[in-house]
Amino acid sequence: DAGVIQSPRHEVTEMGQEVTLRCKPISGHNSLFWYRQTMMRGLELLIYFNNNVPIDDSGMPEDRFSAKMPNASFSTLKIQPSEPRDSAVYFCASSLVGKQYGYTFGSGTRLTVV
Amino acid sequence: KQEVTQIPAALSVPEGENLVLNCSFTDSAIYNLQWFRQDPGKGLTSLLLIQSSQREQTSGRLNASLDKSSGRSTLYIAASQPGDSATYLCAVRPGADGLTFGKGTHLIIQP
Repeated sequence: DAGVIQSPRHEVTEMGQEVTLRCKPISGHNSLFWYRQTMMRGLELLIYFNNNVPIDDSGMPEDRFSAKMPNASFSTLKIQPSEPRDSAVYFCASSLVGKQYGYTFGSGTRLTVV
Repeated sequence: KQEVTQIPAALSVPEGENLVLNCSFTDSAIYNLQWFRQDPGKGLTSLLLIQSSQREQTSGRLNASLDKSSGRSTLYIAASQPGDSATYLCAVRPGADGLTFGKGTHLIIQP
């Protein structure tokens, strides 16, 4: 399996622009998680889906952030409008539903908002 | 709210030494605990997964232990090598929700 695939790897955008991050989970995994990593706050859970349904979005920082999972093989995280404080590395992870399973992370998208 | 603490925040040791990284968590009601490695500018690589019913897991030179009742886990690295240099992250799974991470231990192995 190719693992969790994220695109793009790097994104540089101007403040106010819309940014869309993409994730393809491991085939067969039915839980998907979006995390954000910064030096100050470490890794924070933004939102997660089970069977394509958003379960908990309490970690989404503001209404400017939204996430979708239209099918089992694709998810997006959108920021509109973007701000410099959104600059971070955004990770997607997938897992099987069930307490005994571990998570597999993608390589991340490094977002810089100037 | 679950909190995960990793000590030390940074560690530098000569090659060949055995070392221990520590992780503590505030709520013992966890399903499992996972240790990850992160290289600079890279993603997270899973090293070991310990279920709440287990006491330890081993993979090569790595051994992770879990004492759920006291809220502690350790990652033991035997015969350290320069290639072990990375940030090591501990994460607990409190339930159906996502993992809660510590801030990590930045490890440098001196050749």
